[in-house]
Amino acid sequence: QQQVKQSPQSLIVQKGGIPIINCAYENTAFDYFPWYQQFPGKGPALLIAIRPDVSEKKEGRFTISFNKSAKQFSLHIMDSQPGDSATYFCAASGVDSSYKLIFGSGTRLLVRP
Amino acid sequence: NAGVTQTPKFRVLKTGQSMTLLCAQDMNHEYMYWYRQDPGMGLRLIHYSVGEGTTAKGEVPDGYNVSRLKKQNFLLGLESAAPSQTSVYFCASTLSGRRNEQYFGPGTRLTVT
Repeated sequence: QQQVKQSPQSLIVQKGGIPIINCAYENTAFDYFPWYQQFPGKGPALLIAIRPDVSEKKEGRFTISFNKSAKQFSLHIMDSQPGDSATYFCAASGVDSSYKLIFGSGTRLLVRP
Repeated sequence: NAGVTQTPKFRVLKTGQSMTLLCAQDMNHEYMYWYRQDPGMGLRLIHYSVGEGTTAKGEVPDGYNVSRLKKQNFLLGLESAAPSQTSVYFCASTLSGRRNEQYFGPGTRLTVT
């Protein structure tokens, strides 16, 4: 049973565009929502994370928007660059899952020059 | 400081063979995890450990066993490999389970023929 649904599966944008990746969750006990970035042949690495007490968090060109009532959160990449081409995973965890991360299915992003 | 390392990087097994994947971390992390990554399915937790000498089942534990005899090492075993276990395996570690970044290794690509 997939508890975190991620879309789209793949995304192509031009350099400078703003790709948006969306995730939805079911478990209202989740209280931590990280995004991981994975380059080909590498392990995932933490990009940015948010807690449900805020609606938005920015780190550089990366922004998480969080909608608690809709149980949705999204990643926006401002002024995207070819170097941002990677696979992005959203995830969620909470006390009732022993803080284990539940990952979405991933979005493969390609930023064209 | 090597972070999280995994051996081997690649392996090909025949159905029914056994093998052990080794994960090592030098960050003195308490929690360690084994995931498998399959196309379109994100990262799924196989087993995890919250400390030396402890292990617990994750989302997809069948066909795998683990051991955490030393704090820095987490072993994943396949007793009788099956083609369905063809995947990329990632190990991760974190200081504690709650809202802390998981640090991933580079992965092991396993093919079972």
